[in-house]
Order: sequence, then structure tokens, then C-alpha cells
Amino acid sequence: NAGVTQTPKFQVLKTGQSMTLQCAQDMNHNSMYWYRQDPGMGLRLIYYSASEGTTDKGEVPNGYNVSRLNKREFSLRLESAAPSQTSVYFCASSEKQGSRNYGYTFGSGTRLTVV
Amino acid sequence: KNQVEQSPQSLIILEGKNCTLQCNYTVSPFSNLRWYKQDTGRGPVSLTIMTFSENTKSNGRYTATLDADTKQSSLHITASQLSDSASYICVVSAIFGNEKLTFGTGTRLTIIP
Repeated sequence: NAGVTQTPKFQVLKTGQSMTLQCAQDMNHNSMYWYRQDPGMGLRLIYYSASEGTTDKGEVPNGYNVSRLNKREFSLRLESAAPSQTSVYFCASSEKQGSRNYGYTFGSGTRLTVV
Repeated sequence: KNQVEQSPQSLIILEGKNCTLQCNYTVSPFSNLRWYKQDTGRGPVSLTIMTFSENTKSNGRYTATLDADTKQSSLHITASQLSDSASYICVVSAIFGNEKLTFGTGTRLTIIP
């Protein structure tokens, strides 16, 4: 089925450990995004990639790095995990035409706990 | 600061009943408003998207309305089903150079038999 695939679905890290969240989309979308979702808050943008080869900071980029490996794949890396990064992480993709984005599609999420 | 507020935070209704969820926003310059359904443990799934000139948009038993003058939107669910139990998220888009989405915190809807 077409869509956005995220791995892993669940992860527990110790403070200071590093890990990479993987995301791949098969809809040939240009733009990809990483969000975090915390209780009582709306989704917040961490980083985005408007097209292959470009990445930009979103609203809450501190403590994260990203790589747009190719048009399909966009990974999110936590270099030194902190308890404040406990959250549910969503990857999304869209087709960008001019300034607007169409067909916003989200993955199923990665639930990350940092202890 | 762009904000999206949703009410109520949570709602419980009997199967078969109708309900209406509210969304108020202060987002500028407004481009479009989207409603998403998010099942527990899943990512948000798009229900409707409305631009400035659209007052109503339907998707099956879901009907969204938009009043751009008062900056309010509602999502009406008709003849609710158990599968409607989910969080419903209002998302407002602004375009200032690039498009920026502002997400509401959602309304948690529970349908009971």
C-alpha cells in the first residue's frame, strides 16, 4: 500500500544514547517532514526537507539532526537522547506546488521513551 | 503568534448520535484549514481541506464548515459509529513565503454502544 513507513514503532533509550528514526515514502513526494506529538500539545515541526538535497529547521530543532538520503527517505537522528525527547514522532510527506503542499500523508509514528 | 484552539477537549456520545467539534484560529495570512482523524497509535489521516472561499466540505458522514470572517470551523459527524472513536485535529495553514501548518491539540471523541 502506498504511504509513509516509519521504523521502529517503539524504542526505549537511556539518557545519552543515540539513535536514528527512519522514514520512507513511496508517493514520489518532494517534501518530507518530522514532527513530534506531546500530550496536551499540537504536533510541532522539528525539521523538514522541501526537496531532495535540502533540509531546514522547524519549530523545535534543538537536539536533532536530519538527513534527506534520497527522494524517498528522510531520517531523524538523536545524537544524545534526553528525557525531554520522550515523545511520539511522526514523519510526513507532501507534494509541493509553488508555496502550497498537497496530499499531506503521515506515517504511523515512533513512540520513543528516554529514561 | 498563530494559534489553533479546539473544543471540547473530549467528548463521549452514544452510537448513532450526531456531534459537532469546534475549532477557532488566529492564523495569518490564512491559506486553508484541514481536519484530520487520528486513531489511537496511528498517524493523522486527512478528512477535509477548505480554502478561504469554501464554506462547507463533506466527506461521507463528516461535514466541515468554515467561517473565515469569525475564524471558526466546525466538524459535524452524523450518525456516529464506534469506528469514529478517535482524536480529531484541526490544522490551519498560513503562507508567508512557504506554507506553515499550525496544529490544534485535538478533540478526543469516544463513541459508546
